[in-house]
Amino acid sequence: QLQLQESGPGLVKPSETLSLTCTVSGGSISSSSYYWGWIRQPPGKGLEWIGSIYYSGSTYYNPSLKSRVTISVDTSKNQFSLKLSSVTAADTAVYYCARDRSIAAAGHDYWGQGTLVTVSS
Amino acid sequence: QSVLTQPPSASGTPGQRVTISCSGSSSNIGSNYVYWYQQLPGTAPKLLIYSNNQRPSGVPDRFSGSKSGTSASLAISGLRSEDEADYYCAAWDDSLSGSWVFGGGTKLTVL
Repeated sequence: QLQLQESGPGLVKPSETLSLTCTVSGGSISSSSYYWGWIRQPPGKGLEWIGSIYYSGSTYYNPSLKSRVTISVDTSKNQFSLKLSSVTAADTAVYYCARDRSIAAAGHDYWGQGTLVTVSS
Repeated sequence: QSVLTQPPSASGTPGQRVTISCSGSSSNIGSNYVYWYQQLPGTAPKLLIYSNNQRPSGVPDRFSGSKSGTSASLAISGLRSEDEADYYCAAWDDSLSGSWVFGGGTKLTVL
């Protein structure tokens, strides 16, 4: 059974960089069938897609966040990571990693449990 | 302000059929597949419907999706108490350089 687990600091100061890692177990991140994505949800609000990455390193990002986002992949560790720079309180959210089956038009079918990141001094 | 528009709330009694709408535009629903996610309180979203009307393995056939033009709907028949959750629609949007977009979510209450 595929599992995804987010990890990283739960508290980030304003103007600093948020860094999270998603560890994939029970399957290979190097499969040609999938992208791997990040999605966030501010407290009490809806979902916002941040971006996705292919095992080769090819990425696509939400245009509204593109200038601040970097997603990378480490196939040797079966992990992919998110960096969001110059954070503000508006970036406070639960951050989810998910398997993105865009290639097969099958949506985001496996999700991590999510990790709350609070931006505060 | 979400790109896709959903009613903020919906309700029904056990056994009833309820529908949740999702309205978009030609750059998203009008030209791409629609997806639906169920989010139970305190948990991660779960894929409910993909490619407009396909159910992943394990999703009961009480859940069905449809699409017409720039709108889509999720129908839940034989409503159960465990269906009480937030429901989100999603689609790929071709505008700018492309992006996944979501609806604002619909809170379903089982009365």
